[in-house]
Amino acid sequence: GAVVSQHPSRVICKSGTSVKIECRSLDFQATTMFWYRQFPKQSLMLMATSNEGSKATYEQGVEKDKFLINHASLTLSTLTVTSAHPEDSSFYICSASIPQGLGETQYFGPGTRLLVL
Amino acid sequence: GESVGLHLPTLSVQEGDNSIINCAYSNSASDYFIWYKQESGKGPQFIIDIRSNMDKRQGQRVTVLLNKTVKHLSLQIAATQPGDSAVYFCAENFDAGNMLTFGGGTRLMVKP
Repeated sequence: GAVVSQHPSRVICKSGTSVKIECRSLDFQATTMFWYRQFPKQSLMLMATSNEGSKATYEQGVEKDKFLINHASLTLSTLTVTSAHPEDSSFYICSASIPQGLGETQYFGPGTRLLVL
Repeated sequence: GESVGLHLPTLSVQEGDNSIINCAYSNSASDYFIWYKQESGKGPQFIIDIRSNMDKRQGQRVTVLLNKTVKHLSLQIAATQPGDSAVYFCAENFDAGNMLTFGGGTRLMVKP
């Protein structure tokens, strides 16, 4: 299957700082990438859809000024958590969509665990 | 709103037995479904997918069944192994794009 990487895998930061998370498709080009947040023992919650060369589409309740998304190339999307606070601590996962098999399959990165102190 | 849900939050099976993980969906417009496996601290891993014009699809040791009449999806794992222990999510696609809506997840625990 397609490979998606994320960096960093884990980050600890002080409250008020900004954190950038990178999502890369390693062996394919992805015009669309997705960013999810997952709290412990819960399902994945879609935050936004990242489209190459255009503005991201945010889900209801997700602050676009808080979670900045940039999809500058067909292999890279970044999520910046601005002025992070303890409640932003979570597992952030990206995925890239690729037409394969029966439909547009999403392949996920390994996730980034963010801890805001 | 419409959502995907699961009947059993935790499933415990003996190694070597078959496992069945269930998922109920409510959006009749959904036409594409995927099962993902998520191990602790990792991102979801694609297992198998199925379209709404199919009722069964088989992979290696896994089978997905789709019953559109009752809007039910299941994942069957044959000869369950300790490495199968994880949380399993079903996801559905029902819009013209490629967004997925995830169910709540089922934790599969395999006893040696």
